Amino acid sequence: EIVLTQSPGTLSLSPGERATLSCRASQSVSSSYLAWYQQKPGQAPRLLIYGASSRATGIPDRFSGSGSGTDFTLTISRLEPEDFAVYSCQQYANFPYTFGQGTKLEIK
Amino acid sequence: EVQLVESGGGLVQPGGSLRLSCAASGFTFSSHWMHWVRQGPGKGLVWVSRINPDGSSTSYADSVEGRFAISRDNAKNTLYLQMNSLRAEDTAVYYCVRDTNPMDVWGKGTTVTVSS
Repeated sequence: EIVLTQSPGTLSLSPGERATLSCRASQSVSSSYLAWYQQKPGQAPRLLIYGASSRATGIPDRFSGSGSGTDFTLTISRLEPEDFAVYSCQQYANFPYTFGQGTKLEIK
Repeated sequence: EVQLVESGGGLVQPGGSLRLSCAASGFTFSSHWMHWVRQGPGKGLVWVSRINPDGSSTSYADSVEGRFAISRDNAKNTLYLQMNSLRAEDTAVYYCVRDTNPMDVWGKGTTVTVSS
């Protein structure tokens, strides 16, 4: 099973700042099969990025994904108030599909 | 509008059973792999089970193998999860998820609480 470790656990930033979230895999993940999700309290996860760097439908271009192998990054270029949430990465290359434990992005 | 709506959650005693349902609309349900993913209180997302488009192939997480059964009725556009021998650690919000490689559409979830 591929273990995904996200860092930091909590990130405190202000609106307008840049956010960089990390996802590290215990073994190489084909970049075609790495996704990022956003989840707000009481809501279902929302797909942001798939294939490591492709934005899902309707996702603003301030969200970008990068990386390959075992190291992947989600970047939010300029934080908007609605971006404060929990972000989780997921690999869907190897079975069982696994998720990271999440990074909470909170307002500083 | 593409939509997934789960139902069937509730409070159940340890050792009990529940059947979750997920009603799909707005897309061709019979063409897609479907999954159940759960999230325990204050915890991360955990994949539970998947089923192929015609229902002939299923997979399960080790933690639920032999206790849970996923199925679908393509005529009714509905996904199911039969959960037996429930344990306290099965307490979670259960999400129904469409797979278009990636998992792109999630339902709002239904809450299962296993407690005496």
